[in-house]
Amino acid sequence: DAGVIQSPRHEVTEMGQEVTLRCKPISGHDYLFWYRQTMMRGLELLIYFNNNVPIDDSGMPEDRFSAKMPNASFSTLKIQPSEPRDSAVYFCASSPLYQPQHFGDGTRLSIL
Amino acid sequence: KQEVTQIPAALSVPEGENLVLNCSFTDSAIYNLQWFRQDPGKGLTSLLLIQSSQREQTSGRLNASLDKSSGRSTLYIAASQPGDSATYLCAVRGDDKIIFGKGTRLHILP
Repeated sequence: DAGVIQSPRHEVTEMGQEVTLRCKPISGHDYLFWYRQTMMRGLELLIYFNNNVPIDDSGMPEDRFSAKMPNASFSTLKIQPSEPRDSAVYFCASSPLYQPQHFGDGTRLSIL
Repeated sequence: KQEVTQIPAALSVPEGENLVLNCSFTDSAIYNLQWFRQDPGKGLTSLLLIQSSQREQTSGRLNASLDKSSGRSTLYIAASQPGDSATYLCAVRGDDKIIFGKGTRLHILP
């Protein structure tokens, strides 16, 4: 099993640009989670999906953030327009119901 | 609102010692608690998952306990090794919310 795959690993872009982060979960996992990690705030859950349906997006910071899961093997997190305070490491994780989550290696995002 | 606290934020111990990492949470209505390790530049690796009905879980040199009534969990590492150096995070799941502590950065001295 290849594990959770995230792309890109690193992204550097200028303020105001659109950023799209991608995630391929482990096959057969019903749940997919998007997290953001910063030194100040630690690891925060942004949104999670069950069977491709968004269940809780209360962690999404504002309308500039959106997430989709068009099928069981792919999800995107989009920021438009991006701001310097969005700089963080973004993680995707997947799991079966109430089982341990498996994390990808993250996308390190820097907004200049 | 659930809050998860891990103290200390950092810990250094000599190789071979046994050690305990602490995690406390404010709302005892949880489904499970999970311990992770995170290596620099990497994602989180799940170590142990304790369901709310369980009191402990063991895997190799690791033992995690859960006391819901007092809002505490501990991760015990036996015979520590330099390879155990990492950041250890606990996460509490309840009411469809998953809340992470900020972690304890562990350094095992050779």
